[in-house]
Amino acid sequence: DFQMTQSPSSLSASVGDRVSITCRTSQNIRGYLNWYQQKPGKAPKVLIYGASTLQTGVPSRFSGSGSGTEFTLTISGLQPEDFATYYCQQSSSTPLTFGQGTRLEIK
Amino acid sequence: VQLVESGGGLVQPGGSLRLSCAASGFTFSTYGFSWVRQAPGKGLEWVSGISGSVINTYYPDSVKGRFTISRDNAKNTLFLQMSSLRADDTAVYFCAKSNGPNLRYFDSWGQGTLVTVSS
Repeated sequence: DFQMTQSPSSLSASVGDRVSITCRTSQNIRGYLNWYQQKPGKAPKVLIYGASTLQTGVPSRFSGSGSGTEFTLTISGLQPEDFATYYCQQSSSTPLTFGQGTRLEIK
Repeated sequence: VQLVESGGGLVQPGGSLRLSCAASGFTFSTYGFSWVRQAPGKGLEWVSGISGSVINTYYPDSVKGRFTISRDNAKNTLFLQMSSLRADDTAVYFCAKSNGPNLRYFDSWGQGTLVTVSS
């Protein structure tokens, strides 16, 4: 199975900040890495797929980069609605696996 | 696109439960689907997947042999049959649609249904 390691596990930031979350995988997954945002009591929502493609309707302040075993989600200019938990997910091979999540909190 | 799960509830350890996910707003038969669960206060865990065109099913070791995913394309409904349930199966179970027939990323999710395994 492909192990996913997200860092940091939690992060405090202010509105307007630029933040980055990293996801590392135990094996090369090429570009098959996706990012989700989840707010309390809600289902996750896809932000980025294929490592760097922005899902339709997602604000351009979200961006993704990376390939192989290291990937990054960057949010440029945090907005109040961005404070949530973020998960990476590999779709290179089953079993599909998620990172443990990064909780983004308001400083 | 709308996905609506049902069938969750309280079940005793060792018991069985069948979850359903009613889909609407798209051509159901051409997409892959998964069930993803989230234990209280924990992260996301993929527990099964089914492809769209050629019907293949996939499971992680944690549920293999206990869970069965299936679909009824005539009724636009996805199912998850769960048996030999354990306390650590307690979670909100989400139905998630893939962006195509294969299992890649999930572009739509249901609201989730809570399964509680307890005596």
